[in-house]
Amino acid sequence: GAGVSQSPSNKVTEKGKDVELRCDPISGHTALYWYRQSLGQGLEFLIYFQGNSAPDKSGLPSDRFSAERTGGSVSTLTIQRTQQEDSAVYLCASSLQGQETQYFGPGTRLLVL
Amino acid sequence: GEDVEQSLFLSVREGDSSVINCTYTDSSSTYLYWYKQEPGAGLQLLTYIFSNMDMKQDQRLTVLLNKKDKHLSLRIADTQTGDSAIYFCAEIRGAGNMLTFGGGTRLMVKP
Repeated sequence: GAGVSQSPSNKVTEKGKDVELRCDPISGHTALYWYRQSLGQGLEFLIYFQGNSAPDKSGLPSDRFSAERTGGSVSTLTIQRTQQEDSAVYLCASSLQGQETQYFGPGTRLLVL
Repeated sequence: GEDVEQSLFLSVREGDSSVINCTYTDSSSTYLYWYKQEPGAGLQLLTYIFSNMDMKQDQRLTVLLNKKDKHLSLRIADTQTGDSAIYFCAEIRGAGNMLTFGGGTRLMVKP
């Protein structure tokens, strides 16, 4: 079956611009996670959605970062006023009900010039 | 710094066994995972082990867990050039079940 998909694959933007990254989880998975992979910080948790519960935003690095999940499926991660240190690979994962294995998408490579 | 630690690099010859080690800190972790990342790709789940197990074998992969020492290892038997990648161990933490990753071990397999 279809796995987790993310778009765009690559994004180049100028410092100060806003960007939106999209994640389509595996169908039927109620839990969705965003992670960031950067050279300096490795793999870091950003935010977690589970069903209709309030999201766990404890990993978001600043208030420039936000995410939403519409209809319990697709999620969008928004970075406002991008900075060069936001350059990283943004990975999305989903799991069946939050207690099981997380399956990752291919990631979006963001470069902020 | 990271709470999950791995050595940075491992080089082996094709056909040999590879052992990648990981130490973690959260004794309440329920599941521990190994993911593989090839260049330019996302994370591929390799295997996982539940915290009440000592060992799990899955074809060429063997996972050993020492809870007392908080040590996890991944053994790859008959390592192939296609196994060259970065391997991440990860533990589940917190009510949100978010993964905490090690820094990754780059495995290089020489023909």
